[in-house]
Amino acid sequence: SQQGEEDPQALSIQEGENATMNCSYKTSINNLQWYRQNSGRGLVHLILIRSNEREKHSGRLRVTLDTSKKSSSLLITASRAADTASYFCATDDNAGNMLTFGGGTRLMVKP
Amino acid sequence: DAGITQSPRHKVTETGTPVTLRCHQTENHRYMYWYRQDPGHGLRLIHYSYGVKDTDKGEVSDGYSVSRSKTEDFLLTLESATSSQTSVYFCAISAGSSGYQETQYFGPGTRLLVL
Repeated sequence: SQQGEEDPQALSIQEGENATMNCSYKTSINNLQWYRQNSGRGLVHLILIRSNEREKHSGRLRVTLDTSKKSSSLLITASRAADTASYFCATDDNAGNMLTFGGGTRLMVKP
Repeated sequence: DAGITQSPRHKVTETGTPVTLRCHQTENHRYMYWYRQDPGHGLRLIHYSYGVKDTDKGEVSDGYSVSRSKTEDFLLTLESATSSQTSVYFCAISAGSSGYQETQYFGPGTRLLVL
């Protein structure tokens, strides 16, 4: 079973627009991470937010975490064609030994 | 890219044959992981290791075994490959800390086709 579930499953936007992806999870976490995967490649870490943090920024990325709603969102501002990829959220288990990944959001940014 | 390599990168095999995939890291990280990625399922953890000779099962461990005799190498073995094990396999590493997960770094993946 997947701890994290992304929404939407697919998103298509024009270059320059903002893209928002959401992640919901089921159990308590220590931290939540977002990863990007370009077609045919391995996952690349984007950002980690701890359970005691509410918002975090990294360049054009903004991540929020609401532990009361067990949800997180990833905002990519001023999107570029190069942002086209699949985006995954991942949460750790209570023991902190492993991550559980959601099914991902496929983002397409049209030039 | 983190120093992670996977071999082979592509493999075609027949049902019933044993298959071993290798993950090699040069980062001296404590944790190593094997995932499989299938359409509609995202990434699912097969097995992981938290040290030499220390391994544990993940979500989808049936039909798979692992071994870690050195810090840098983590082997995934399909004892008798089945068509349901056709997938893309990713290795990942993490420095890890006691009690919570840090960033994981992924290898390039191995595409396995079981005929």
